This record gives sequence, structure tokens and C-alpha cells, in this order.
Amino acid sequence: QSALTQPRSVSGSPGQSVTISCTGTSSDVGGYNYVSWYQQHPGKAPKLVIYEVTKRPSGVPDRFSGSKSGNTASLTISGLQAEDEADYYCCSYAGSYTWVFGGGTKLTVL
Amino acid sequence: EVQLVESGGGLVQPGGSLRLSCAASGFTFSSYSMNWVRQAPGKGLEWVSFISSTSSTIYYADSVKGRFTISRDNAKNSLYLQMSSLRDEDTAVYYCARVLNRGGLDYWGQGALVTVSS
Repeated sequence: QSALTQPRSVSGSPGQSVTISCTGTSSDVGGYNYVSWYQQHPGKAPKLVIYEVTKRPSGVPDRFSGSKSGNTASLTISGLQAEDEADYYCCSYAGSYTWVFGGGTKLTVL
Repeated sequence: EVQLVESGGGLVQPGGSLRLSCAASGFTFSSYSMNWVRQAPGKGLEWVSFISSTSSTIYYADSVKGRFTISRDNAKNSLYLQMSSLRDEDTAVYYCARVLNRGGLDYWGQGALVTVSS
């Protein structure tokens, strides 16, 4: 149950796009199409923004998109807005009803 | 509106016990599996435990196995986490979260802070 690997921080200017990577193994990210992404603002609960690698819950802007290649998943946020500044966590199903999270990435909107 | 509300957090001494509750509303609780996820101060998210809709399947992270017990009461729309033999490293905000198949956790509570300290 080792944590998935994410960059500690990323940044971008308003209107730009940023991509956050999430690297695991063939036992988690690479083995299942069950990667999800969460946005967390300071002092708040996490919010689901992507599930099953590419799907967006109702109410999440289409500026948020997800993808996966091999053992690495990615979250792309296009048309950056000030309110996107937050911590982002990836999560993968790891079999036998267990899940593993990434260490988190702080997104700064310059 | 889906709502999950945790309660029962607080300060406990090392080696002590605490029971967290999560009250669910706005959806058919008995149809969904649930997870507990925790977040130590200033740290990332850590999956803690899973329970299926009928309580037939239960799993724990290695870090809490043998010390924590997850349970639910579908008649009361409630999820529980009984924590014992608590350690300093169990200090965290504990969230209950609804499982969307295995692909994600679609609703989260506001969290309950558990502080283990002497």
C-alpha cells in the first residue's frame, strides 16, 4: 500500500493549462480503470472532480479532464481560474476493496 | 441533498479508544458501500477502511488492521469506526465517504478531528 507519486506543486497563469501526473504500479493505476481525482481547498473536505479515469461528476466544469497511460494517470485543468487554486489528490483502486492515494499536489494560480 | 455528518472526534490519550459516527441522509444508505479516509495535520489523504452495503465485505489498511473496526447500521443510516489502541500517528481528521462503485468517492463528510496525545 505505497502512496502514488504526484509532483509536490504545479503552477500556471489564469487561462493557461496545467497537468498533474500520478504514478503508481501495475497493481493499482495500471491494473484498473478506477483512478479518481479530488480537489481540496484549505480547511474543506475533498471534492471528487474525476472518476473512472476520465469521467466528470455532474457540476464539475469540462475544464477538468483525466487520462491514463500505463501506470501513470493525469489530471489536466484548462483555462485556469483563480478558484482552481487548491490541493489535488489522485486515488486508485488497488484490488480487494482497498484504495491508495497520491501524496497531493498544490496548484498555484499565478 | 446527500449529506454525511461525522461526530465523535476529540482528544484521547495514547492507548485509548474512541468511536466515530457518520450520519447519512439524502440517499438510500443501505444501497451504498462506504469508506473511512483520514488526513493527518498538513499531510495527504490515507484510505483507512471499507464496508460493503450489507456489511458482508470489510477491509482495512495495514496501518489500522487489528485496532480499528468499521461497522454500519442501515436502519439508522449510520456508519461507525471504533478505534482502539490509539497511537500518536492516528491523529488526523477522519472523513466518511460514499463509494461510487470502485471508481471514486463521490460524497464526503466535513470530517471529525481525532487528536491522540498525552
